[in-house]
Amino acid sequence: GAGVSQTPSNKVTEKGKYVELRCDPISGHTALYWYRQSLGQGPEFLIYFQGTGAADDSGLPNDRFFAVRPEGSVSTLKIQRTERGDSAVYLCASSAGGGSGETQYFGPGTRLLVL
Amino acid sequence: DAKTTQPTSMDCAEGRAANLPCNHSTISGNEYVYWYRQIHSQGPQYIIHGLKNNETNEMASLIITEDRKSSTLILPHATLRDTAVYYCIVRPVLTGANNLFFGTGTRLTVIP
Repeated sequence: GAGVSQTPSNKVTEKGKYVELRCDPISGHTALYWYRQSLGQGPEFLIYFQGTGAADDSGLPNDRFFAVRPEGSVSTLKIQRTERGDSAVYLCASSAGGGSGETQYFGPGTRLLVL
Repeated sequence: DAKTTQPTSMDCAEGRAANLPCNHSTISGNEYVYWYRQIHSQGPQYIIHGLKNNETNEMASLIITEDRKSSTLILPHATLRDTAVYYCIVRPVLTGANNLFFGTGTRLTVIP
């Protein structure tokens, strides 16, 4: 059954390194979202894809963050020159369509720790 | 998006109804009220949503006041597995505003 899956579940890296986080959405879902959750806070929006294109990337904190979804299914969030402040849980969600009435289904997240 | 206000934390006895309030006094006519919850170390889980009318599903009931400025999520018979952070979110009906704004939510602890 296939819910949203994310890999890896945990990632430890050193400051300055590059990381990639992967999201497999529910099959057939056209909309995909990335959120970031810091300790004790609610998830914060990063970017939204409709199909292959980024329809809204207003939540990306700076140009070190980039995401792709080349075939309209799997998405990769890429973080360059990681900083300790990037440590957080990165959550992916998908929905059947892009409408605001669509329910978003979340994956378990990737816990990123930057040392 | 309209801002929501929720209590930071609440306790509920196992088997009793849990009533989680949410204020959204600046909500506009074209905004849904959504509830999600997040159990420790898991991703958020959709619970229920509504626009004007009260709603009920297998998980919970959502009561929205007539002026739509507040709502209450009701878990009719809370279990230990309902211990989680509950987020009340308002979200525009119009397309193009698709992300969820979570806030800090209410931490519900169900006590045996």
